[in-house]
Amino acid sequence: GAVVSQHPSRVICKSGTSVKIECRSLDFQATTMFWYRQFPKQSLMLMATSNEGSKATYEQGVEKDKFLINHASLTLSTLTVTSAHPEDSSFYICSATPGAGFGGYTFGSGTRLTVV
Amino acid sequence: AQSVTQLGSHVSVSEGALVLLRCNYSSSVPPYLFWYVQYPNQGLQLLLKYTSAATLVKGINGFEAEFKKSETSFHLTKPSAHMSDAAEYFCAVSEPAAGNKLTFGGGTRVLVKP
Repeated sequence: GAVVSQHPSRVICKSGTSVKIECRSLDFQATTMFWYRQFPKQSLMLMATSNEGSKATYEQGVEKDKFLINHASLTLSTLTVTSAHPEDSSFYICSATPGAGFGGYTFGSGTRLTVV
Repeated sequence: AQSVTQLGSHVSVSEGALVLLRCNYSSSVPPYLFWYVQYPNQGLQLLLKYTSAATLVKGINGFEAEFKKSETSFHLTKPSAHMSDAAEYFCAVSEPAAGNKLTFGGGTRVLVKP
């Protein structure tokens, strides 16, 4: 079945530094990848949608300069949290879909970011 | 705009009892519907999906859901709960017209009592 690998699973960083999270589709080409943020005991909030080779589309209220998304290939998307602050601490999850024909969505295992 | 409502943020069931998780959606066109399960500090695992084929959808781990257009519902059931079913469950909807973005319900945490 379709597998999406997300790395790292946990990261602790100092306030003011940047952190990069990778999302890879291992056995299919991901035309579209999505990035979500999840606060404790809450649902997933879509942050942005990225299509390979195009600029990401950010949801309302998400700072595109803080959360940089790159989807340079059909198997890799990255989320960089720039100048991280404690309020950016959260669980970040990616998902990927092959797109046409609706193959469904596959989720990564998530990244727990803690900013100290 | 599409939206998803999950009735009950917490559900407690006894082991062996019926599990029923409710999901209602709001969509202007017949959507695609999903149920996902999430264990602590993990991503989401697909339980089942409805994509305009049979209205009764069978998924993994003994779960099934029925799409009822007249009620705009997609409730999830499992006849007999197992301790391993304790997790967070999310109902989600997507519409091609919305760029296939998934919209999630608020989630329902299932507690299974021995």
